[in-house]
Amino acid sequence: KAGVTQTPRYLIKTRGQQVTLSCSPISGHRSVSWYQQTPGQGLQFLFEYFSETQRNKGNFPGRFSGRQFSNSRSEMNVSTLELGDSALYLCASSLAGLAGTDTQYFGPGTRLTVL
Amino acid sequence: DQQVKQNSPSLSVQEGRISILNCDYTNSMFDYFLWYKKYPAEGPTFLISISSIKDKNEDGRFTVFLNKSAKHLSLHIVPSQPGDSAVYFCAAGTYKYIFGTGTRLKVLA
Repeated sequence: KAGVTQTPRYLIKTRGQQVTLSCSPISGHRSVSWYQQTPGQGLQFLFEYFSETQRNKGNFPGRFSGRQFSNSRSEMNVSTLELGDSALYLCASSLAGLAGTDTQYFGPGTRLTVL
Repeated sequence: DQQVKQNSPSLSVQEGRISILNCDYTNSMFDYFLWYKKYPAEGPTFLISISSIKDKNEDGRFTVFLNKSAKHLSLHIVPSQPGDSAVYFCAAGTYKYIFGTGTRLKVLA
């Protein structure tokens, strides 16, 4: 069974640009969550999608948005990039996103560098 | 405000000895806790979990302990092996998880 895949793996952008990251969950998984990992901040929850609807959201500005398609694939978009957006962006998929009953499986991440 | 804290950014342990990684949380409503392991250039992988109705869960060399009154979680690895060298994240939550900042474990051969 293929794992969670994320594309691209590495990305370099300049301030003010926008970026779209993609995540393909494990087949059959309907919940996709996005996290930002920066040194010293751990993994910070961005949002979770389930059946094409945003179900949960973290404390990130509106420049961070996402969507999920009918095949459960998800995209995350960051507009007007800032230097502080440089981070590893991880997506995780699970069957139904239910805490306590589901295990989240993470992709390898997309390393975004903003210059 | 960090609701889940891993106060030790790094830990070094001799091979064969016990590794103890600690995690503190502030929200008493959290009812499910997990540990993930992360190698460089890979996403985190699930290690072990515990629900708030238990105080211990064991899986091979890995044991997680939960002290609800102290809002403290720990992961014990016995015996530690060089392949255990990685960054360990604890996570706590209800419908979504809050992750700690991670502890880098180095197991010395």
